[in-house]
Amino acid sequence: DVKVTQSSRYLVKRTGEKVFLECVQDMDHENMFWYRQDPGLGLRLIYFSYDVKMKEKGDIPEGYSVSREKKERFSLILESASTNQTSMYLCASSPFQGAKTSNTGELFFGEGSRLTVL
Amino acid sequence: DAKTTQPPSMDCAEGRAANLPCNHSTISGNEYVYWYRQIHSQGPQYIIHGLKNNETNEMASLIITEDRKSSTLILPHATLRDTAVYYCIVRVAGGTSYGKLTFGQGTILTVHP
Repeated sequence: DVKVTQSSRYLVKRTGEKVFLECVQDMDHENMFWYRQDPGLGLRLIYFSYDVKMKEKGDIPEGYSVSREKKERFSLILESASTNQTSMYLCASSPFQGAKTSNTGELFFGEGSRLTVL
Repeated sequence: DAKTTQPPSMDCAEGRAANLPCNHSTISGNEYVYWYRQIHSQGPQYIIHGLKNNETNEMASLIITEDRKSSTLILPHATLRDTAVYYCIVRVAGGTSYGKLTFGQGTILTVHP
């Protein structure tokens, strides 16, 4: 089974702190994603990466950055945490979705990291 | 991606089949129907997907109407552990759509003893 592991289930940080959220997948997937989930707003895509050292902005990248130095690891960084970044953060991975492949793009999610910024 | 409509909540007795409907009347010919579920405090879990034919796997069956404007997810023998929020998503597969899944409010399925 695909396993996506997020480093911390629960974190509490203070405003202004730098926060690292780590995600590791063990299925050699090319694509990795970071979402945040908030009540009433559903899942919103923050950043994604389709290859090592490649990254693309999602719908809400402001206040976040990412790093993908190795294929299996995708990190989300909050340079200076703010209270409006209190949320559930979800990492996901999926295999490559080339136009000529039959892959149909299901995502595999981690357990989530619940971040509280005080 | 096409918009979907699901009932906000449903109940089901343990051991009975749970049938979760989804309307997607604006679906395009190249869009797939995906189902995910999210158990409380966990990440979403992929269940099944289909294009136009009915699909079955070890978790569920997916029935898509001939006009593809609606579908039904069937959990054949619901258990208490199937209590979760179920999301129906319609999206294009492949190309550059990547992971931009749009999760709506979903259906809260409660399985009762």
